[in-house]
Amino acid sequence: SQTIHQWPATLVQPVGSPLSLECTVEGTSNPNLYWYRQAAGRGLQLLFYSVGIGQISSEVPQNLSASRPQDRQFILSSKKLLLSDSGFYLCAWSFGYSGRQGYGYTFGSGTRLTVV
Amino acid sequence: GENVEQHPSTLSVQEGDSAVIKCTYSDSASNYFPWYKQELGKGPQLIIDIRSNVGEKKDQRIAVTLNKTAKHFSLHITETQPEDSAVYFCASLSNFGNEKLTFGTGTRLTIIP
Repeated sequence: SQTIHQWPATLVQPVGSPLSLECTVEGTSNPNLYWYRQAAGRGLQLLFYSVGIGQISSEVPQNLSASRPQDRQFILSSKKLLLSDSGFYLCAWSFGYSGRQGYGYTFGSGTRLTVV
Repeated sequence: GENVEQHPSTLSVQEGDSAVIKCTYSDSASNYFPWYKQELGKGPQLIIDIRSNVGEKKDQRIAVTLNKTAKHFSLHITETQPEDSAVYFCASLSNFGNEKLTFGTGTRLTIIP
């Protein structure tokens, strides 16, 4: 079976510091990968998605970047955090379209980032 | 691009009563509609989904209906229980190929004991 791991669970970082959040998927190959942000009490904002190694699509211009150095690894980064970067960050994966089963996303457990 | 609207944003229901959450979508090519439940501090979890060749799907106390002509779909929870309290998100898949879901804005469901 497939599993998704996301860490850390919580993070408190000062303004201007760098950020690195990591997400890995096990039990499948060539998944589509996604980073979402959720502000308190708000909906899901898609930040980045990737359909393959080195392939990153950005949905919203911002202070963040994403990378996919390996097939099942997705990293969210920032060189200098802003207060507005605070939020709940979620990684998700899905089967890419190739006739494989299912179309839904499976989300990780999330990282709560507080920028102080 | 696809636009998904979800109503209501908040819903309070007496325990044991039914809850209905409705979503509309804009892209007539959308063909997959999942529902997610998000408990406090956790990631959303898929609870039920429906594909465009089906009008209704049930799983115990949860059901989803789809009206492709009107471009809307609904989540029905019967015999609600306190553990149903959560935020629910609908979504639609319109960009077949990279599986990019468009999410609704969420409904905060509160079950009143």
